[in-house]
Amino acid sequence: EVQLVESGGGLVQPGRSLKLSCAASGFTFSNYGMAWVRQTPTKGLEWVASISTGGGNTYYRDSVKGRFTISRDNAKNTQYLQMDSLRSEDTATYYCARHGGLRVDYWGQGVMVTVSS
Amino acid sequence: DIQMTQSPASLSASLGETVSIECLASEDIYSYLAWYQQKPGKSPQLLIYAANRLQDGVPSRFSGSGSGTQYSLKISGMQPEDEGDYFCLQGSKFPWTFGGGTKLELK
Repeated sequence: EVQLVESGGGLVQPGRSLKLSCAASGFTFSNYGMAWVRQTPTKGLEWVASISTGGGNTYYRDSVKGRFTISRDNAKNTQYLQMDSLRSEDTATYYCARHGGLRVDYWGQGVMVTVSS
Repeated sequence: DIQMTQSPASLSASLGETVSIECLASEDIYSYLAWYQQKPGKSPQLLIYAANRLQDGVPSRFSGSGSGTQYSLKISGMQPEDEGDYFCLQGSKFPWTFGGGTKLELK
């Protein structure tokens, strides 16, 4: 069974950092691209970043470029999202998602990030 | 960025009724279109990918169609468990973008 389990969320002050982790199991992690997607009641779903199977290619939405870094450790079956210089507008539930071929098919349960003083 | 305009924003359907939800892309997305269902407090579940391919385990009453800029999700025979929010996602070009969502309720 495919499982994606996020961790590392919480309350953080504006300008500070947080690192999210996503532990994967039930599939060959290194065969799949991975992504982070966030959701808020007001903005809905927003794709944040993606990383290729080997980690050599990364992609970001403009609003997080230069502040967020997506990475992965295929030996640990884990992907990460390092979030620096956090802003109030980064407050959201963050989902880890798997993608391969034509589909983004499995999502984690989500982790809440709140940026507030 | 590719804009995804989803309609309607909300919908109420009777048991057994056929329901359609639309997504209009601001440019050709070459069928890189997926549909998801999300229930309160849960993560999105993939229903349809590549515009018309049914994800394994999804009931056959769900179907997708479309090409170019226009896509639709059809539920042939509304069931109580189909209540929830539905989203489209375009994966043709970064940044991937989502439709605004449709809240589907049982009448």
